[in-house]
Amino acid sequence: DSGVTQTPKHLITATGQRVTLRCSPRSGDLSVYWYQQSLDQGLQFLIQYYNGEERAKGNILERFSAQQFPDLHSELNLSSLELGDSALYFCASSVARGDRLNTEAFFGQGTRLTVV
Amino acid sequence: AQKITQTQPGMFVQEKEAVTLDCTYDTSDPSYGLFWYKQPSSGEMIFLIYQGSYDQQNATEGRYSLNFQKARKSANLVISASQLGDSAMYFCAMREGLRGAQKLVFGQGTRLTINP
Repeated sequence: DSGVTQTPKHLITATGQRVTLRCSPRSGDLSVYWYQQSLDQGLQFLIQYYNGEERAKGNILERFSAQQFPDLHSELNLSSLELGDSALYFCASSVARGDRLNTEAFFGQGTRLTVV
Repeated sequence: AQKITQTQPGMFVQEKEAVTLDCTYDTSDPSYGLFWYKQPSSGEMIFLIYQGSYDQQNATEGRYSLNFQKARKSANLVISASQLGDSAMYFCAMREGLRGAQKLVFGQGTRLTINP
């Protein structure tokens, strides 16, 4: 068990809909990262939050947004869903304090999103 | 440009043999970290081992070791005495960038199959 909790584990929804994926980081971890894993794109970094603030952005579509709350849990919102958004979405967390390169990044079990 | 290259899409190894999974990387940042993750068929991403760019010795974690050759920009994962449970996808990843903005960039992965 990595200590990173993602819910739900599976999600099936229709095109055009909106969903919210939730992530609780490991206790004490300030940074949360979201990744998308699809067959054609592999593992892609979407976005990072550090202690409530957006820190880095990757290949995240405008239809997608995220936030990190004061209790450090994070949510990834996916809207106007398309068939191509079907993927495994991972959340990862690490200590990632701003003054050093941290050594670990632990992943949740992922949310498998299927858009039909 | 590809930051992480894993040239072996698939590997087949006999149980109890050692196996080396290749990974080369490209970065101009002197400070970086290299990671290996295991992804079994159940989908979760399991952190295996980490090597920092300033680490003098190769990282080891149980049966996993990292053959870090900085001049060649390679970070191969060595699994000793392979077991059937080692069958999985293996991803090499690199962390670079500014402090606090430390996304992981992943390779395409190697599917390892251990034969009895």
